[in-house]
Amino acid sequence: AQTVTQSQPEMSVQEAETVTLSCTYDTSESDYYLFWYKQPPSRQMILVIRQEAYKQQNATENRFSVNFQKAAKSFSLKISDSQLGDAAMYFCAYSSPGGTSYGKLTFGQGTILTVHP
Amino acid sequence: NAGVTQTPKFQVLKTGQSMTLQCAQDMNHEYMSWYRQDPGMGLRLIHYSVGAGITDQGEVPNGYNVSRSTTEDFPLRLLSAAPSQTSVYFCASSRTYATNEKLFFGSGTQLSVL
Repeated sequence: AQTVTQSQPEMSVQEAETVTLSCTYDTSESDYYLFWYKQPPSRQMILVIRQEAYKQQNATENRFSVNFQKAAKSFSLKISDSQLGDAAMYFCAYSSPGGTSYGKLTFGQGTILTVHP
Repeated sequence: NAGVTQTPKFQVLKTGQSMTLQCAQDMNHEYMSWYRQDPGMGLRLIHYSVGAGITDQGEVPNGYNVSRSTTEDFPLRLLSAAPSQTSVYFCASSRTYATNEKLFFGSGTQLSVL
């Protein structure tokens, strides 16, 4: 079974600075998908970014980018120019392709990000 | 623009009581699922459905039942609530059950079982 590990329970960053959240995963599959979800205090889960394992290029979405290291099974999230609205719990998630995986996500434990003004 | 609607937002139960968490989506999504969120454990899949009339178990299905009689609705039933079921519950849906699809989440139900 796949596992996802977020080793940083909490992180903090100053407004306008850059922060990197770590995620590692364990899998024997060669093709899969990785996600970062954001959960602000409102509890709403919001997709931040998505990476397909067969794509070597790292995904980016505005101020959010990932560093995907397939051999190391690492998938970190970099937030540039941090804003107060970025304060949230961030979850890394893994999904297998097709077969009987049926959209199932395996989540990490989450990292609480605090942004200081 | 409702998206995924969960009710209730908060609920307190006594051990042994039963209840149903409601989930409805208005996006004609094929795939719906239920997750529970516990501190230090992230979100774990309880049950999922790939279409009306089709459901299956996820990682932590014990103590929960689901059914999917319509595309829109996917209720989660707790048959006999236990303190171990104290958690935040999320319903989520996606356009298809392809595993690269974006999941749309409801706002969650905070459940406490005393």
